[in-house]
Amino acid sequence: DQQVKQNSPSLSVQEGRISILNCDYTNSMFDYFLWYKKYPAEGPTFLISISSIKDKNEDGRFTVFLNKSAKHLSLHIVPSQPGDSAVYFCAASALNAGNMLTFGGGTRLMVKP
Amino acid sequence: NAGVMQNPRHLVRRRGQEARLRCSPVKGHSHVYWYRQLPEEGLKFMVYLQKENIIDESGMPKERFSAEFPKEGPSILRIQQVVRGDSAAYFCASSPSAGSLYGNTIYFGEGSWLTVV
Repeated sequence: DQQVKQNSPSLSVQEGRISILNCDYTNSMFDYFLWYKKYPAEGPTFLISISSIKDKNEDGRFTVFLNKSAKHLSLHIVPSQPGDSAVYFCAASALNAGNMLTFGGGTRLMVKP
Repeated sequence: NAGVMQNPRHLVRRRGQEARLRCSPVKGHSHVYWYRQLPEEGLKFMVYLQKENIIDESGMPKERFSAEFPKEGPSILRIQQVVRGDSAAYFCASSPSAGSLYGNTIYFGEGSWLTVV
């Protein structure tokens, strides 16, 4: 039972345009959500997070939106740059589960110059 | 990756041998997590440890896998009698305290790639 799903395995975007990566979850106990970026043969790097008490969090070119009623979150990257090409994972945690993260399967973003 | 050190980065073992993966968390972090990533899949939680205690091992296979985080020294993930299906990337992460709701970030290491031949 996949509690966190990223339904698009890959996404291709032109440099300068917006990249939108989507993530859905099923567990209503999740109250904190994170996005990680991962290059091949490296560990995940934290990008941005959002608490369930918010619906938006912005950090530079990265914005995460949370729609609790739809159990959906998205990561917007604008403008997209070739260096953003990587695999992006969304992850969720529940307060009563400590810091255990449940990850989605990842979306491979390719930003074309 | 904020100082989580894992070694070895790459490990090749024959079926039936033992694999030991080590993780030194960020200095001052007392919480360690192990995740496994199988090819073409996301990361799956295995175990959560604090110093000298296993807090949650719900993601650990029941047999052959064990983890520890002693008072001194790195955390160790041990896989006995490895099989081909154990081939994966194993990531360690650390955080300063529990409760990511309070903004603590979990930092990941570079990973250890285990190949069982």
